[in-house]
Amino acid sequence: KNQVEQSPQSLIILEGKNCTLQCNYTVSPFSNLRWYKQDTGRGPVSLTIMTFSENTKSNGRYTATLDADTKQSSLHITASQLSDSASYICVVSKGAPSDKLIFGTGTRLQVFP
Amino acid sequence: DVKVTQSSRYLVKRTGEKVFLECVQDMDHENMFWYRQDPGLGLRLIYFSYDVKMKEKGDIPEGYSVSREKKERFSLILESASTNQTSMYLCASSRHRVSSYNEQFFGPGTRLTVL
Repeated sequence: KNQVEQSPQSLIILEGKNCTLQCNYTVSPFSNLRWYKQDTGRGPVSLTIMTFSENTKSNGRYTATLDADTKQSSLHITASQLSDSASYICVVSKGAPSDKLIFGTGTRLQVFP
Repeated sequence: DVKVTQSSRYLVKRTGEKVFLECVQDMDHENMFWYRQDPGLGLRLIYFSYDVKMKEKGDIPEGYSVSREKKERFSLILESASTNQTSMYLCASSRHRVSSYNEQFFGPGTRLTVL
């Protein structure tokens, strides 16, 4: 069954601290994996995309890693800011022919001062 | 910047009412999508469209229909709203059909409550 599981479900950290969010998937075939950030009351916005051959991708203070062998990805946030408070959603694309996206249920991150 | 707009941020309707949710994108994208988002379930695809007047069912099309008369506009229709359709509805668009690398750009969402 094609699934994307994220952990933890929720996380609370203090401003300035680092954190890592996890994503495990059982999707096959695999084309690419994206991390989206969804602020409260808004639609998701793409942070990174990684294909099978990429194992790390950065976007500012966000660094995503991918281990295609173990089917795991992580999103590391460095020096967290209050504006990082959001839900982070891992999305895996099955690729041709369906191009179907499989969404994780997200990790809710709260950053406190 | 790509902009995807949805007609309402919040909507309250009664059981049995016909509900229209409108979505407009301004970047000439070919693909448009409707999702619903529920706690603990993630985003689930209702319908999508790769071209004008074209539609395809997603994972949970029951109780919904769609209309795409113009390239920039994709409407979701609840023919007879029910309480289990209370949810956050998200519209998205992306550029070309033949690529799984397409980023989907999302609208702000419509939170629909059916009483």
